[in-house]
Amino acid sequence: NAGVTQTPKFQVLKTGQSMTLQCAQDMNHNSMYWYRQDPGMGLRLIYYSASEGTTDKGEVPNGYNVSRLNKREFSLRLESAAPSQTSVYFCATTGASYEQYFGPGTRLTVT
Amino acid sequence: GDSVTQMEGPVTLSEEAFLTINCTYTATGYPSLFWYVQYPGEGLQLLLKATKADDKGSNKGFEATYRKETTSFHLEKGSVQVSDSAVYFCALSEGGSYIPTFGRGTSLIVHP
Repeated sequence: NAGVTQTPKFQVLKTGQSMTLQCAQDMNHNSMYWYRQDPGMGLRLIYYSASEGTTDKGEVPNGYNVSRLNKREFSLRLESAAPSQTSVYFCATTGASYEQYFGPGTRLTVT
Repeated sequence: GDSVTQMEGPVTLSEEAFLTINCTYTATGYPSLFWYVQYPGEGLQLLLKATKADDKGSNKGFEATYRKETTSFHLEKGSVQVSDSAVYFCALSEGGSYIPTFGRGTSLIVHP
């Protein structure tokens, strides 16, 4: 089992460009999450999806949109990238004991 | 709301030294508690967990005991190795809430 996978691993964008970060899980978990990690800021929740068909804002949703395509896939879209969105993005799911499983991350630089 | 407080890092130790990373929490209910580890360039991985008071989670020589009376979940290891160098995150999840709460992370550097 692959667990939680993310694509791409690295991305460089120019200000104003758009892109979609992809996440897929084969763990049959209901809940999926998008976080960003910045130096000194810890993990901050962007959006989450408690189950297929639902999405909710987290702590820092501005500038992002999400789609829960099906139970396996949860994508994060940046419509008009800004330098402040330079970060490492992690997708995660929640298991039966509320533990989280993380993907390997996408390292995004916006110039 | 819920919160998790970890000791500031970096924690710098020599190989074979004893490790303690402090973690305290505030929660409205009876949360499950977790330690995650993040190696350079990777995502977080679950290291250990405890789901109720007085439970001890353990994995790879690391241990933490769920102390309800002191609202703490300190991470310990008797003899650290260079390969333990990583960032460690304490976290909690309350049943009925979809949103976990993470500490800021503590960087551990182990020198040979």
